[in-house]
Amino acid sequence: DTGVSQDPRHKITKRGQNVTFRCDPISEHNRLYWYRQTLGQGPEFLTYFQNEAQLEKSRLLSDRFSAERPKGSFSTLEIQRTEQGDSAMYLCASSLEPGTGGEKLFFGSGTQLSVL
Amino acid sequence: DQQVKQNSPSLSVQEGRISILNCDYTNSMFDYFLWYKKYPAEGPTFLISISSIKDKNEDGRFTVFLNKSAKHLSLHIVPSQPGDSAVYFCAASVWGNQFYFGTGTSLTVIP
Repeated sequence: DTGVSQDPRHKITKRGQNVTFRCDPISEHNRLYWYRQTLGQGPEFLTYFQNEAQLEKSRLLSDRFSAERPKGSFSTLEIQRTEQGDSAMYLCASSLEPGTGGEKLFFGSGTQLSVL
Repeated sequence: DQQVKQNSPSLSVQEGRISILNCDYTNSMFDYFLWYKKYPAEGPTFLISISSIKDKNEDGRFTVFLNKSAKHLSLHIVPSQPGDSAVYFCAASVWGNQFYFGTGTSLTVIP
């Protein structure tokens, strides 16, 4: 069990650029979540997948954000035309399915995005 | 719409004493509650959880209490140690679908 892995750990970009983050979940976990966290706040839900299917997406999520999990393993989160308000820690988490031990999330170390 | 609330942004406790962190929620459908611990520049780490069918769960120095009628849970750490200094997040879910987090309480344990 190597844990949840996120890449990169840090990303600095200029406003208007596109960025993409990658998450590798724990191998046997079929659920994968993306959260965003800003200073002084708790993790805010963005979207989650069960296998390759995106089951839910936050209605607060701008159309500039898109996430994929094409083969039900790793996932990518892309932000297009970044804005300074996108600066945050982007957290990925994975879990088993509910009822099979999926009652808790295992988080990666996050990607810290800074938009200049 | 903050469904999980932690009203104390910070807490300071002497080493060896009890730390009590509180959390309130509004959604009566929540059936699973969790506490996470977070150090700077790291992701949250699972600490302890409780199902809505229980009112107490204990794991070593950590105990979580759930009061469903008051929609309130608390985390007790006894005895508190300097290594416990971190930000603690309360979270809740409905059958493991979409987890909602509070804003966190920063705990400082003073040696």
